[in-house]
Amino acid sequence: NAGVMQNPRHLVRRRGQEARLRCSPMKGHSHVYWYRQLPEEGLKFMVYLQKENIIDESGMPKERFSAEFPKEGPSILRIQQVVRGDSAAYFCASSLTGQETQYFGPGTRLLVL
Amino acid sequence: TQLLEQSPQFLSIQEGENLTVYCNSSSVFSSLQWYRQEPGEGPVLLVTVVTGGEVKKLKRLTFQFGDARKDSSLHITAAQPGDTGLYLCAGAGYGGATNKLIFGTGTLLAVQP
Repeated sequence: NAGVMQNPRHLVRRRGQEARLRCSPMKGHSHVYWYRQLPEEGLKFMVYLQKENIIDESGMPKERFSAEFPKEGPSILRIQQVVRGDSAAYFCASSLTGQETQYFGPGTRLLVL
Repeated sequence: TQLLEQSPQFLSIQEGENLTVYCNSSSVFSSLQWYRQEPGEGPVLLVTVVTGGEVKKLKRLTFQFGDARKDSSLHITAAQPGDTGLYLCAGAGYGGATNKLIFGTGTLLAVQP
């Protein structure tokens, strides 16, 4: 029973580059959530997606951030033109129905130099 | 402002001691989840409580959801070094949004052998 998988586990980018974070939900789960954990801060909701649809992006920064969950393949969180303040741990979670328990992946630690 | 406040923030105890972690809010949640997070890893689900007044036991861990579904507590009996980690409560259903979790401020527990 594979859990939520995220890759890469660690990502280093220079300012101005793009970061792509991937998340494969648990088998059978079609609801994906992204959260961000900034240094010395708690986990904050970013976006909620179902297959091919963004349901709630109320926690996403207005610029440079985007997310998708295509019909086939993993969910992608994309950060364009990264800045140092984007350095954080990004966690993906999935759930079966969207109204039940969320299961988290191991996270991607993004470091922007 | 934090919707979910956890106390204490830090706790260092000796093996064998008992402890209680509190998660408090002035808002109502439809459910509350407790997670434990270890350094470099994602949050691992411990329990979900749904009904006001509900008590759940998981070996030496006892979880309670307040009658009004605004607060919760986690009690650990006879703590062991393996219990060391960051304990997070997370509420679902705030403002009617079932899809995103609001995380607490976290309690960092260290159990000394």
